[in-house]
Amino acid sequence: EVQLVESGGGLVQPGGSLRLSCAASGFTFSSYYMHWVRQAPGKGLVWVSRINDEGSSTSYADSVKGRFTISRDNAKNTLYLQMNSLRAEDTAVYYCARDGSGSYVYWGQGTLVTVSS
Amino acid sequence: QSALTQPPSASGSPGQSVTISCTGTSSDVGGYNYVSWYQQHPGKAPKVMIYEVSKRPSGVPDRFSGSKSGNTASLTVSGLQAEDEADYYCSSYAGSNKMVFGGGTKLTVL
Repeated sequence: EVQLVESGGGLVQPGGSLRLSCAASGFTFSSYYMHWVRQAPGKGLVWVSRINDEGSSTSYADSVKGRFTISRDNAKNTLYLQMNSLRAEDTAVYYCARDGSGSYVYWGQGTLVTVSS
Repeated sequence: QSALTQPPSASGSPGQSVTISCTGTSSDVGGYNYVSWYQQHPGKAPKVMIYEVSKRPSGVPDRFSGSKSGNTASLTVSGLQAEDEADYYCSSYAGSNKMVFGGGTKLTVL
């Protein structure tokens, strides 16, 4: 059974940093591109970032470029999102999702990040 | 990276059909056949209902169908049922290894 389990969310002050993790199981993690998608409270889904299967290619939404870094450890079957210079508008539930034909069949349960003083 | 445009709400009575639109540009919806639709119930993770414009994952009822014309994609839900009441989001590949979502549509079953 495919499972994606996010962790690392919490309350952080504006300007602070946080690293999210997504532990994958039930599939060959190193064979799939992975994404982060976020959803602010009461708002819609927003694509955040993508990393290829090898970890050699990344892409970001303009709103997080230069502040967030996506990475992966295929030996540990884990996806990461390092978030720096956090702003109030980064407050959201962050989901990791597995890529498949340009869609996301598998999602984690999400982890809430709250940026507030 | 502008969000795709969806109507904020849609509604229909049980048994009826409803269609939700998703309008983008030639750089996303119109340029690629990588349009997906997601259903999200409150407090839950999204669930893919349609991928690659019109393909249905196994387990998704055939009441759900997708199509695309030019820069606009559509999701049609036929034979509406109470459990179809949810938020629906479209997404599209937007080139340069980026994705874009629509703003979401709240579907109400009257």
